[in-house]
Amino acid sequence: EAGVTQSPTHLIKTRGQQATLRCSPISGHTSVYWYQQALGLGLQFLLWYDEGEERNRGNFPPRFSGRQFPNYSSELNVNALELEDSALYLCASSLYVVLGQGDQPQHFGDGTRLSIL
Amino acid sequence: RKEVEQDPGPFNVPEGATVAFNCTYSNSASQSFFWYRQDCRKEPKLLMSVYSSGNEDGRFTAQLNRASQYISLLIRDSKLSDSATYLCVVNEPLGSSASKIIFGSGTRLSIRP
Repeated sequence: EAGVTQSPTHLIKTRGQQATLRCSPISGHTSVYWYQQALGLGLQFLLWYDEGEERNRGNFPPRFSGRQFPNYSSELNVNALELEDSALYLCASSLYVVLGQGDQPQHFGDGTRLSIL
Repeated sequence: RKEVEQDPGPFNVPEGATVAFNCTYSNSASQSFFWYRQDCRKEPKLLMSVYSSGNEDGRFTAQLNRASQYISLLIRDSKLSDSATYLCVVNEPLGSSASKIIFGSGTRLSIRP
């Protein structure tokens, strides 16, 4: 069974540009989550999508946005990139969520390493 | 108080030792709990869910103490390959029909030969 796949593996941008990161969940998973992990720091929750809708959002500015497509894949968009956006961006997927965001265990992709110059 | 707290370590133990670490959570209504491991510069991988009655998977035992609001992970007969950062994950309710998932900052474990 294929796991969560993310692309690109690495992305280099400059300040002010826009970045688009992509994620394909495990087949059968409808929930997709995005996290930011800056160097030496813990995972920070960004966004949760389920059945095409944004279900929850972490404490990030509006320039972080995303969407989930009918095939459950997802995009994370970051506008007006800043130096502190440099981080590993991880996508995770899970089965249908019954009680809430963390009801089912999440399976992670390898991540996209975003570097802002 | 942080929502989810872990001792960052590092814990440096010899191969074959038993090691245990805890994770405390602040919201008594939290419902689901997991342990993940993360190797350096890799993605987190699910290690095990934590059930109310406690559960075991090979050398790993997870326990939940609702009264004291902590979960624990015990690793027996530790192997060199157990060296990693162990992340505690807690599902905390947000109102009546939503919840959020919170990752601890991780406990670093290093097993020496």
